[in-house]
Amino acid sequence: RKEVEQDPGPFNVPEGATVAFNCTYSNSASQSFFWYRQDCRKEPKLLMSVYSSGNEDGRFTAQLNRASQYISLLIRDSKLSDSATYLCVGRRGSTLGRLYFGRGTQLTVWP
Amino acid sequence: DADVTQTPRNRITKTGKRIMLECSQTKGHDRMYWYRQDPGLGLRLIYYSFDVKDINKGEISDGYSVSRQAQAKFSLSLESAIPNQTALYFCATSDLDEEGQETQYFGPGTRLLVL
Repeated sequence: RKEVEQDPGPFNVPEGATVAFNCTYSNSASQSFFWYRQDCRKEPKLLMSVYSSGNEDGRFTAQLNRASQYISLLIRDSKLSDSATYLCVGRRGSTLGRLYFGRGTQLTVWP
Repeated sequence: DADVTQTPRNRITKTGKRIMLECSQTKGHDRMYWYRQDPGLGLRLIYYSFDVKDINKGEISDGYSVSRQAQAKFSLSLESAIPNQTALYFCATSDLDEEGQETQYFGPGTRLLVL
């Protein structure tokens, strides 16, 4: 079983919609989590860090549920520019721990 | 100028050839990483280095070697390339911020095709 699992999608939503992605992790020792965004054929870029129960940044909200071992990303008022692949990433243990990447969830926002 | 650069950006090679992928960074970070990305598999860690004298294997190091020539440079070598090493390769760097948290910054990637 992969360390981090996420639904690959694709998710196709209209502009203005709210969309949510879930990600589950298998190792309860995982301490911190991240959402990265990756555009087609480009490098991943950090979108949000999730260190405690959750984090909010504008239209984006990330939540962490340690009891159920899942992380979610909520995007409100979707924009065309939100179309990308969203990578769920976990770190086991301390800040020296390696990152474990999910396979990514593909989002397409249509006009 | 980009903070993390990779050369070449695209490479086609033949089975059995030795090739080197290079990564340079101007961020002054101590930590550097090499990942490969395959469709449907996500990013997988090949090797990582926490400083010039430190080299560590990742989850898929077989068939690869690395060299940390300086703080700013981290090279990945395929001693004898094989077709299943066809992938998108990313270099990344990171450091700890004032709060002890780490963010990884990725280079633009190298597309490698092994025939």
